[in-house]
Amino acid sequence: DAKTTQPPSMDCAEGRAANLPCNHSTISGNEYVYWYRQIHSQGPQYIIHGLKNNETNEMASLIITEDRKSSTLILPHATLRDTAVYYCIVRVEHGSGNTGKLIFGQGTTLQVKP
Amino acid sequence: DAGVTQSPTHLIKTRGQQVTLRCSPKSGHDTVSWYQQALGQGPQFIFQYYEEEERQRGNFPDRFSGHQFPNYSSELNVNALLLGDSALYLCASSFTASLTYGYTFGSGTRLTVV
Repeated sequence: DAKTTQPPSMDCAEGRAANLPCNHSTISGNEYVYWYRQIHSQGPQYIIHGLKNNETNEMASLIITEDRKSSTLILPHATLRDTAVYYCIVRVEHGSGNTGKLIFGQGTTLQVKP
Repeated sequence: DAGVTQSPTHLIKTRGQQVTLRCSPKSGHDTVSWYQQALGQGPQFIFQYYEEEERQRGNFPDRFSGHQFPNYSSELNVNALLLGDSALYLCASSFTASLTYGYTFGSGTRLTVV
């Protein structure tokens, strides 16, 4: 079962920041939070991931609350090409090696409007 | 640098038949995971291969089996196909030795069972 809950859909105006929330209240201490997006049933595209600190890259910022029970993905200046399904995922670890698996939920469909 | 390559891109099979899907991981990656994505749903974890062994498995029947070769490429086999096996099958690769590793997904194989 997915360890994350997300709103099913959101709208955002082009050029504005898109803030996508995610709840992961049962996350364990060593489990990372990943964000992917998927456009038109293509393969999911990696956006960003983090453990407990806020992260930023060229695509987005990830804000993780201090208790790690929720996070927010921020797309600073949304464009029409950012319209996609966004998945917030907890990587569930397996054994002592780094062989975790991604457990997807239903995701948030973000519609960027002109 | 080639990403994850999956073949074929589309496939139509008849109920009861068997199918083999193929995946070449991203250069430098050593672990391959397979996911099934039904229409309108998030990807579901099938299994993961590392060092040519199945390391963990999701809630899928034994009709789903796999293999990893010494060059890290992988195959997914499905026997006795059912109509419900129609889905997008995604392959994701990663580098296990990295503590903050990410997963790269292929574009998937669209399987239709008629």
